[in-house]
Amino acid sequence: DAGVTQSPTHLIKTRGQQVTLRCSPKSGHDTVSWYQQALGQGPQFIFQYYEEEERQRGNFPDRFSGHQFPNYSSELNVNALLLGDSALYLCASSWTWNTGELFFGEGSRLTVL
Amino acid sequence: QQQVKQSPQSLIVQKGGISIINCAYENTAFDYFPWYQQFPGKGPALLIAIRPDVSEKKEGRFTISFNKSAKQFSLHIMDSQPGDSATYFCAASKENTGTASKLTFGTGTRLQVTL
Repeated sequence: DAGVTQSPTHLIKTRGQQVTLRCSPKSGHDTVSWYQQALGQGPQFIFQYYEEEERQRGNFPDRFSGHQFPNYSSELNVNALLLGDSALYLCASSWTWNTGELFFGEGSRLTVL
Repeated sequence: QQQVKQSPQSLIVQKGGISIINCAYENTAFDYFPWYQQFPGKGPALLIAIRPDVSEKKEGRFTISFNKSAKQFSLHIMDSQPGDSATYFCAASKENTGTASKLTFGTGTRLQVTL
């Protein structure tokens, strides 16, 4: 049973570019949440998708957008990259009727130069 | 309002000792308090969680103590082992029926267990 898988694992972009990160949830899970983890900090909630709709959103600008596909996989898009967007982006999946445990992937490490 | 404060930032414990990490929250609406363990290069993994209807929960060597009136909760790792060396995050959320948790994390504690 595969856990949460994310791609790519590492990527380097320059300021102003756009990036797309991908996530496949754990088998049987229907909800995907995205978190940003800056170096030495705790993860911060970006947004959550269920039934292909954004259900909850954290305090992130509109440059951060997402999508969920019918197979429950998800993408995180960040436009007009800033140096401060450099972070580990974590995807977490869950089954929406089990509101407790989130299963995290290993993350995508984004470096913006 | 949404902040979760965690201390200490780092902790060194001898093998066999007790590791204690503390967290405090502000939002009284929070009703789910998990602890996550993160190894370098890996995503966080759920270690243990508690809801405010109990004051303590124990799973193996890991115990959460919860003080609702003080809005504080702590993680105790008994008989700490070198394999426990990792970063630990406390978190909190308000659970809503039919919606997955939106976690607010603490800033993390880097634990090192020495031989």
